[in-house]
Amino acid sequence: GEDVEQSLFLSVREGDSSVINCTYTDSSSTYLYWYKQEPGAGLQLLTYIFSNMDMKQDQRLTVLLNKKDKHLSLRIADTQTGDSAIYFCADRTGRRALTFGSGTRLQVQP
Amino acid sequence: ETGVTQSPTHLIKTRGQQVTLRCSSQSGHNTVSWYQQALGQGPQFIFQYYREEENGRGNFPPRFSGLQFPNYSSELNVNALELDDSALYLCASSISSGGTYEQYFGPGTRLTVT
Repeated sequence: GEDVEQSLFLSVREGDSSVINCTYTDSSSTYLYWYKQEPGAGLQLLTYIFSNMDMKQDQRLTVLLNKKDKHLSLRIADTQTGDSAIYFCADRTGRRALTFGSGTRLQVQP
Repeated sequence: ETGVTQSPTHLIKTRGQQVTLRCSSQSGHNTVSWYQQALGQGPQFIFQYYREEENGRGNFPPRFSGLQFPNYSSELNVNALELDDSALYLCASSISSGGTYEQYFGPGTRLTVT
């Protein structure tokens, strides 16, 4: 079945760049998404990338997709304390449901 | 534009009871998906509704059921509650056209089963 995996934890200093990585197994994934979840809250859609793209940039966020290796990354430039949260990658195949990873907890130290 | 809303925010139930959770879609969205998020895990897909019909289901037993109404709001019903049903239940709305199917999530209902 489909599987999405992420590393559990990342700690960076304020002002540095953060890179959160994700791998997926389903080669028929059409769209891949990044969501942010703050404590006690729902999921906020940050950005998404279509599977035929290599890169997408949206302000401080850069998404890189290596379709051959089924590897997705989210780079956050100039990371701020307000970026501390759990980040989920998710993929979508034909049935339109999303398959999520277990999330990466990003801790930003002042 | 109104975002996705869910009610109630928190709920405590006893094993064996039944529960109904509610979701109002974002304006203009015709598709609702429900997810279960256990503590420390990513959300797991329960099912999706489009035009009042179930449009896909994850690996959840039949005691998880749902409804979608003509105004695209939705309910999730869980019968015969088990302790493992304790989780955050998330509703997401989307538009089933245009290809990207971006799903926008509500704040969730935290269900505790004792």
